[in-house]
Amino acid sequence: GAGVSQSPSNKVTEKGKDVELRCDPISGHTALYWYRQSLGQGLEFLIYFQGNSAPDKSGLPSDRFSAERTGGSVSTLTIQRTQQEDSAVYLCASSSPVMADTQYFGPGTRLTVL
Amino acid sequence: GQSLEQPSEVTAVEGAIVQINCTYQTSGFYGLSWYQQHDGGAPTFLSYNALDGLEETGRFSSFLSRSDSYGYLLLQELQMKDSASYFCAVSVDYKLSFGAGTTVTVRA
Repeated sequence: GAGVSQSPSNKVTEKGKDVELRCDPISGHTALYWYRQSLGQGLEFLIYFQGNSAPDKSGLPSDRFSAERTGGSVSTLTIQRTQQEDSAVYLCASSSPVMADTQYFGPGTRLTVL
Repeated sequence: GQSLEQPSEVTAVEGAIVQINCTYQTSGFYGLSWYQQHDGGAPTFLSYNALDGLEETGRFSSFLSRSDSYGYLLLQELQMKDSASYFCAVSVDYKLSFGAGTTVTVRA
C-alpha cells in the first residue's frame, strides 16, 4: 500500500475488555514497530518485529499486552483485560531493509478505556 | 536504558530561525533522528544523523556531535505550517527511543 494503515482509528472499550489493534505495514518493509503515545507525551516503544526473527518484546508494559505478525506482514496488538491507564494512541511504524533507521508511521489507533 | 532531553516549548515568528537542542545518554548508539508530528497526526521522518556534522534538507538542518552526545534541529524561514511537535530519537539496535518532544508555535 501507499503507507502504513491502522485500524480501527478510534476504539472505546470498557475496563476489563480485550481489544485488538491492527497494523498493515508498507509493502516490502521487513521491520514493524508498535509504540504508545499518551497525551502530550513522547512515544514509548512496545515491540519490534524484524522478518522471521523472534520479536523484541522488551517494551511491553505487562503480560496483558501481546502482539503477533502473520506472514511477515500484518500485525495485531492485543491488550487483555484493559485498564484505564492503557488509554493512549497506539502507533505502528515500518521500515525497509535498505533504510532501517527511517520509520514510517501509521495514523494510530486512539484507545479510550472507560 | 536511554534518556533524551529537549526543550518542551519554543515560540517564534514567521521567517525566524529556531534551533531545538537534544542531549542524550545511551549505550550502543547508532544515530539521531528527528520526527515532526502535527496535532492529531502521525510522526513523520525529518532527518537522520549517523555521523558527526550537519545534514541539510531544504529549510531544515540537523546536526550531531557524538563526542558531546548532543544534536540539534534547525528550522529556517519558519512558516505557520511548521507549528508542530518535534521529537529527537536515538537509534539503538533499530529501536527508536524518543524524547518527550518540543512544541514549536509559529506566530504571524
